[in-house]
Amino acid sequence: GQSLEQPSEVTAVEGAIVQINCTYQTSGFYGLSWYQQHDGGAPTFLSYNALDGLEETGRFSSFLSRSDSYGYLLLQELQMKDSASYFCAVKSNYQLIWGAGTKLIIKP
Amino acid sequence: DAGVIQSPRHEVTEMGQEVTLRCKPISGHNSLFWYRQTMMRGLELLIYFNNNVPIDDSGMPEDRFSAKMPNASFSTLKIQPSEPRDSAVYFCASSSRQDHYEQYFGPGTRLTVT
Repeated sequence: GQSLEQPSEVTAVEGAIVQINCTYQTSGFYGLSWYQQHDGGAPTFLSYNALDGLEETGRFSSFLSRSDSYGYLLLQELQMKDSASYFCAVKSNYQLIWGAGTKLIIKP
Repeated sequence: DAGVIQSPRHEVTEMGQEVTLRCKPISGHNSLFWYRQTMMRGLELLIYFNNNVPIDDSGMPEDRFSAKMPNASFSTLKIQPSEPRDSAVYFCASSSRQDHYEQYFGPGTRLTVT
């Protein structure tokens, strides 16, 4: 079967750093994407890792280890507007296989 | 670009009625996806079109669901007859990338079937 696991909820303090992990088990693997979804909104693309290592985009970074079937999204200098759900998604063959999402709660 | 456009944004209907959801993908994108999102089941891929041709509809729940893409700028998802368990947010997404890892989502249609 194909599955992605990520924590259902993570809580952090404004200004801090938080890491959201994602482990996957899929029949094919081409890369790991991350999406952000605010309550009542649509998923929006954040980042993609096809190769091992760290990709940085502003305050957000994403990491992939293909040998460990593992990746994470790192959010730095947390702001209240970062309160949202974050989804990892594996590119497998022609489609994305989605995780259940991690709700990030940020406290002032 | 206006992004992916979906209509209606909200739909409330009674069980047994036909529901049609509409989507206009981003111009130039050749892949279109229909998703359903619920708290219980998360984000589910219903059907995927490439160059207006349905490639995989294995996610379509049952024969009550059908989708069409008559041209590159328009797609519909139809539910007939609708049931309360179809209540969900339905998203349309499009992608220009061959590998589809970057998808652009529309605002969604929140469907409530009573």
